[in-house]
Amino acid sequence: IVLTQSPGTLSLSPGERGTLSCRASQSVSSSYLAWYQQKPGQAPRLLIYGASSRATGIADRFSGGGSGTDFTLTINRLEPEDFAVYYCQHYDSSFSWTFGQGTKVEIK
Amino acid sequence: EVQLVQSAAEVKKPGESLKISCQGSGYTFTNYWIAWVRQMPGKGLDWMGIIYADDSYTTYSPSFQDQVTISADKSISTAYLQWTSLKASDTAMYFCARLSGSMADFEYWGQGTLVTVSS
Repeated sequence: IVLTQSPGTLSLSPGERGTLSCRASQSVSSSYLAWYQQKPGQAPRLLIYGASSRATGIADRFSGGGSGTDFTLTINRLEPEDFAVYYCQHYDSSFSWTFGQGTKVEIK
Repeated sequence: EVQLVQSAAEVKKPGESLKISCQGSGYTFTNYWIAWVRQMPGKGLDWMGIIYADDSYTTYSPSFQDQVTISADKSISTAYLQWTSLKASDTAMYFCARLSGSMADFEYWGQGTLVTVSS
């Protein structure tokens, strides 16, 4: 399964809403779709698991949705610390994990 | 608090061997899978392989099979990633991560180990 994220770069201003897309090459289980945030020089951080559940300590301005082949990560009211690269990831339940290529959210 | 602490950055020459480590704390190490993830400079994330610390059962991504070896020492809650003969193309940041209970996602991450291979 290939995960394709769009757009490659999203230019937004603080306070705006950002919508990131992750499209799978075939239908996948929502239970196995996750999103991560990575800031420069840092390890990735789990944001969303099971397509729509926020990980521990994640602000409620982050929300995930979708099903089948199309999933989204929405960031409401962008804060300065939200400018980062975001990755979607899928597990095929058979010892194989795949990441999308990432979407960079940059300050406009 | 769950923590994964990785070994320090390494600079190696092509053909040299290397073993980097990832020590877990704040949870029962033998109850979870540990994964290794590569990030080449300026690029995305590549899953390399996983190990179950209790019995050291290991599985690799086809892209990394026979290229690296993953092992663990449960007595010291540490997982390892090793190379027998490094190449310049192995230059990357390597992260360890603990899988969630469902194994679907990478719940906790180490800080990363930068490996630089240059003559």
